[in-house]
Amino acid sequence: DAKTTQPNSMESNEEEPVHLPCNHSTISGTDYIHWYRQLPSQGPEYVIHGLTSNVNNRMASLAIAEDRKSSTLILHRATLRDAAVYYCILSRIQGAQKLVFGQGTRLTINP
Amino acid sequence: SQTIHQWPATLVQPVGSPLSLECTVEGTSNPNLYWYRQAAGRGLQLLFYSIGIDQISSEVPQNLSASRPQDRQFILSSKKLLLSDSGFYLCAWSERGQTYFGPGTRLTVT
Repeated sequence: DAKTTQPNSMESNEEEPVHLPCNHSTISGTDYIHWYRQLPSQGPEYVIHGLTSNVNNRMASLAIAEDRKSSTLILHRATLRDAAVYYCILSRIQGAQKLVFGQGTRLTINP
Repeated sequence: SQTIHQWPATLVQPVGSPLSLECTVEGTSNPNLYWYRQAAGRGLQLLFYSIGIDQISSEVPQNLSASRPQDRQFILSSKKLLLSDSGFYLCAWSERGQTYFGPGTRLTVT
């Protein structure tokens, strides 16, 4: 499985945008970029996924580099409820989706 | 809408005792199902996945087994628990590139 690299932790202020980076230099052509987040004592929650083009949904935006070797998850206006561990994962979307979770980025939001 | 159920929410079991964790999914048919585990201070690890009834694949050799007796039911079992089996067990299902996780079972083996 292709690996991803994320910063261990990041900190931001409430109501400000947050940009969470992810490097995936060995991504293959069939790998989608997925983001999940996990709040304390809960299971992970799907955030967003994409292949080549930037993606937007009600939770966040995903900006994908043209060479696909890096991506950025953008939270447009962080709230205290966005404090979580964010995981960037590469996976196919056909067949069984075997997610390989790394250590992720622990995001702290200051009030 | 789809819902995933797991029980129990918490469990304390002695070493050497058997284990059975159950997961059911509602609102979808023939889902891909998964069991993940998160040991204390460690990342989530895929244990088993299933693409259909009686079709189980194991990702990590271990003391556990999985079964899928019905389309939307996934069971995680052990004949004899070890201390190292303690952790947060999550059932999940996937569809169209998204994986949905259940509420989890926190297992403590004493």
